[in-house]
Amino acid sequence: SSELTQDPAVSVALGQTVRITCQGDSLRSYYASWYQQKPGQAPVLVIYGKNNRPSGIPDRFSGSSSGNTASLTITGAQAEDEADYYCNSRDSSGNHLGVFGGGTKLTVL
Amino acid sequence: EVQLVQSGAEVKKPGESLKISCKGSGYSFTSYWIGWVRQMPGKGLEWMGIIYPGDSDTRYSPSFQGQVTISADKSISTAYLQWSSLKASDTAMYYCARHVPAANSLDYWGQGTLVTVSS
Repeated sequence: SSELTQDPAVSVALGQTVRITCQGDSLRSYYASWYQQKPGQAPVLVIYGKNNRPSGIPDRFSGSSSGNTASLTITGAQAEDEADYYCNSRDSSGNHLGVFGGGTKLTVL
Repeated sequence: EVQLVQSGAEVKKPGESLKISCKGSGYSFTSYWIGWVRQMPGKGLEWMGIIYPGDSDTRYSPSFQGQVTISADKSISTAYLQWSSLKASDTAMYYCARHVPAANSLDYWGQGTLVTVSS
């Protein structure tokens, strides 16, 4: 299956740690990438590969993977981290195409 | 600085054709895949397809095969997404992004083009 499953919504208290998960068979073979999307804005890549952050992404964002589950962890969540988060990985076609998870809306309380 | 700049918002009627664009700058346009992503109102992200401007190798997600056409003009560092006959269900925000298959990532994104199809 090429599907990736995410919890629709997660909340975290300001300054606390939150983990957003993504499950799918493709994650046993391929790393996930993670995207943050704020209302009215284009998505932004925050994590790719084993645990790589693009330039400008705060180090409170980290990624990990185990079995069929990839996780995005925000350590010390800030108000500005409130956003939708999407995971992405390869689909099963072998055509370099990907598949997104359904997205997780993160609320910072 | 890597930039992808997309064409402006469009309002069209059902049955009309449309071609939107995505111009890359700040990197070798012919050396990276460009992907197109759809986001319907209030919904999540969907892969539509990708193109390698260096040789115009194009691949489509099954849901979009035959529904849209992806192309590129490497002489002007621009990728395109086009429809021959729009439907109301094509109303969405469309993003282009630079795709890096080795990292399974879309590392730079355009600002998005809003397409509204309404009679």
